[in-house]
Amino acid sequence: EPEVTQTPSHQVTQMGQEVILRCVPISNHLYFYWYRQILGQKVEFLVSFYNNEISEKSEIFDDQFSVERPDGSNFTLKIRSTKLEDSAMYFCASRFPGQGGNEQYFGPGTRLTVT
Amino acid sequence: QKEVEQNSGPLSVPEGAIASLNCTYSDRGSQSFFWYRQYSGKSPELIMFIYSNGDKEDGRFTAQLNKASQYVSLLIRDSQPSDSATYLCAVLPNTGNQFYFGTGTSLTVIP
Repeated sequence: EPEVTQTPSHQVTQMGQEVILRCVPISNHLYFYWYRQILGQKVEFLVSFYNNEISEKSEIFDDQFSVERPDGSNFTLKIRSTKLEDSAMYFCASRFPGQGGNEQYFGPGTRLTVT
Repeated sequence: QKEVEQNSGPLSVPEGAIASLNCTYSDRGSQSFFWYRQYSGKSPELIMFIYSNGDKEDGRFTAQLNKASQYVSLLIRDSQPSDSATYLCAVLPNTGNQFYFGTGTSLTVIP
């Protein structure tokens, strides 16, 4: 069964460094998402991406964040200058929209630790 | 502001009982409703989705949707200890691509 994959599973970085989190969505899906979940807190929407551009973004998704679909399979989230408060699980998700079908599937996540 | 509300729990039920999880949403134009299960340290796993008023059953799970009351629920029959997890309600409005998540309800099934 197709699934969303993410790499790396765990990333440790120093404050101020840039990180790139990678995702491979399900192959025929058209909408892509990034979410964040700080330990013990709710899943927070960051951004949605469709047709090679950002569709919606939250207040969390400021100028430090960017997304890209560099080729036909990968979807990346870049954090330019990490802060301690960026430490969280980051989940990628994808969906194939259609009549009666809007199911969104999550990847396993990348745990980002900023020291 | 589109809000999704869930009782955070914790909800405890004995093994074999029915667990009932509830969710309300504010955007009357919402069209699609989802239940995710999230084990500690893992990603949300889609377990049910419902698009029409009424009940939808899948194995031990039943999703119930009442658009007039802006209410969606998840029933878990014959609860098992392996059902112990946080259950997230998510809503996709009629316009836009953003899913709105509740804070989740923590369920513990006691053997």
